[in-house]
Amino acid sequence: QKEVEQDPGPLSVPEGAIVSLNCTYSNSAFQYFMWYRQYSRKGPELLMYTYSSGNKEDGRFTAQVDKSSKYISLFIRDSQPSDSATYLCAMSVMNRDDKIIFGKGTRLHILP
Amino acid sequence: GAVVSQHPSWVICKSGTSVKIECRSLDFQATTMFWYRQFPKQSLMLMATSNEGSKATYEQGVEKDKFLINHASLTLSTLTVTSAHPEDSSFYICSARGEQGGTEAFFGQGTRLTVV
Repeated sequence: QKEVEQDPGPLSVPEGAIVSLNCTYSNSAFQYFMWYRQYSRKGPELLMYTYSSGNKEDGRFTAQVDKSSKYISLFIRDSQPSDSATYLCAMSVMNRDDKIIFGKGTRLHILP
Repeated sequence: GAVVSQHPSWVICKSGTSVKIECRSLDFQATTMFWYRQFPKQSLMLMATSNEGSKATYEQGVEKDKFLINHASLTLSTLTVTSAHPEDSSFYICSARGEQGGTEAFFGQGTRLTVV
């Protein structure tokens, strides 16, 4: 079993819909969770990070962590065509020298 | 968020030559830098981790003599692809983690390398 599992998609939704992106993980030592957005031929951009179970909201984005189920989610409200990108989940042990483990990324298409 | 600048954004080189890619943290001191390789529509593949002032730690299967990494200062790391071959053509991305704040890392814009 891979450390981090993420459905590669593609996921196509109509503009204005709520998007739900998910990752599961197997390593219970992961304490720090991140979501990155990557546009084609660009480096990933950090969207959200959290280190506790529960929800964290930032504008149209909500990150949710359920450590008991080893499951994290990113919700995008009022999705826009400009949200079309690949979204990567990432996680790390709460140790600054530890590497960050990435999911494979989910390709999202918002249809106008 | 913190800014990481990667240069050049794209480069074309001849087989057998070497190419250097720079990664700079502009507004923070990066104690750790990561170098990734990414193939089209694939996820990030970690190549190596470098800490300032020490030798890089390479992932299994990555040739350290081919991909030379130098992290001489807290704001600069370089990746040199030596004796490049067409199969080295790829998208290379660096990321940096600072000594302040949490464990999140910030990415450069990436470098598209084409070896002809």
